[in-house]
Amino acid sequence: AQRVTQPEKLLSVFKGAPVELKCNYSYSGSPELFWYVQYSRQRLQLLLRHISRESIKGFTADLNKGETSFHLKKPFAQEEDSAMYYCALRGTQGGSEKLVFGKGTKLTVNP
Amino acid sequence: DAGVIQSPRHEVTEMGQEVTLRCKPISGHDYLFWYRQTMMRGLELLIYFNNNVPIDDSGMPEDRFSAKMPNASFSTLKIQPSEPRDSAVYFCASSFRPGLSNGYTFGSGTRLTVV
Repeated sequence: AQRVTQPEKLLSVFKGAPVELKCNYSYSGSPELFWYVQYSRQRLQLLLRHISRESIKGFTADLNKGETSFHLKKPFAQEEDSAMYYCALRGTQGGSEKLVFGKGTKLTVNP
Repeated sequence: DAGVIQSPRHEVTEMGQEVTLRCKPISGHDYLFWYRQTMMRGLELLIYFNNNVPIDDSGMPEDRFSAKMPNASFSTLKIQPSEPRDSAVYFCASSFRPGLSNGYTFGSGTRLTVV
């Protein structure tokens, strides 16, 4: 079974502080992992994919298979980063195409 | 491309009424997904289609929910009869096989309130 856990429902930091949003997953095979962001009352937007190893808006995420984690990090948070962040997993075995999402973390960046 | 288009944006209905949510995927995308978002449960996959065929409907909560995709450019999610606990934001998303590793493109959602 595929499972994604985001242990923090709420996370609050000050502008300029580092931020880390945690994501742990459970999957027996090699997963594909994603971070989505949802700004207030907007659609979900893809932020990062683990396969691309990219940095978007200053955010990075590294897949740690040993710890089954895919934490999202940014060294200096900005007020415009305030949003809901969802970690998602797609299994690569058994032909399943569905994305399973964590319950999300609401990030608030205070001035 | 206008992206994934959902209608209506907001729907308020009375308990017991039928509700139909609509989705137009991105042209050329052969996968379509319906998700429900609530504060308590987050984002839950209800059903997804590939080439207009339902592949996995294990997330559909009960028989009151049904989804169809009569052609590649249109899908509906119907709730009959609706109940207050169905109040949520319903998102539609689409993708295509080579792009699955790129994630999905989501619509703006339909905010459903059942009173």
